[in-house]
Amino acid sequence: DAGITQSPRYKITETGRQVTLMCHQTWSHSYMFWYRQDLGHGLRLIYYSAAADITDKGEVPDGYVVSRSKTENFPLTLESATRSQTSVYFCASRDRGLFYEQYFGPGTRLTVT
Amino acid sequence: AQKITQTQPGMFVQEKEAVTLDCTYDTSDQSYGLFWYKQPSSGEMIFLIYQGSYDEQNATEGRYSLNFQKARKSANLVISASQLGDSAMYFCAMREGRGGSNYKLTFGKGTLLTVNP
Repeated sequence: DAGITQSPRYKITETGRQVTLMCHQTWSHSYMFWYRQDLGHGLRLIYYSAAADITDKGEVPDGYVVSRSKTENFPLTLESATRSQTSVYFCASRDRGLFYEQYFGPGTRLTVT
Repeated sequence: AQKITQTQPGMFVQEKEAVTLDCTYDTSDQSYGLFWYKQPSSGEMIFLIYQGSYDEQNATEGRYSLNFQKARKSANLVISASQLGDSAMYFCAMREGRGGSNYKLTFGKGTLLTVNP
């Protein structure tokens, strides 16, 4: 399917476990982003990537790790999940150019118990 | 200081009426872009409209228009002829600077719009 997909869509995990959220886009967009959405905070940027093997921290990177070995994939790993990481996670991508919007995936609802 | 401020946590509008959702921003860059996204109850993020800082005319996309007042640093979204399907959370976002790392967006906290029949 064309577009941007996230998996899993729903995940329940326990405190201390490692969990990886997957993001895949079919447009060959250069830029990819991970956001978390929490009530009262809007969307906050966790990490972003300008190209394969180029990543950088966003506003709330602590506790998260990313990698980008291929242009189309941008996985987000919670190395040791905490309850404060319970959230909805959105992946997004965009092409180069000032005028282009970000395209968002459907989101992953993560619950850490 | 917040870079994007949406002062209306919730708004109500009657069907077929127009509504304005407020957004103010804070940046020292001369080049920046402002975006509005819609998030219905199903959860997906839908791009609505974009305004560049150098655009002289207000952006319009169908029933959506962006009332851009640069001196006041405001970028309000106007929805004309509201429909029941417009009920959703609306987010204002800003891209600062030109290119590279400045392709990232900063989002406001959102405004929940409810359209009444």
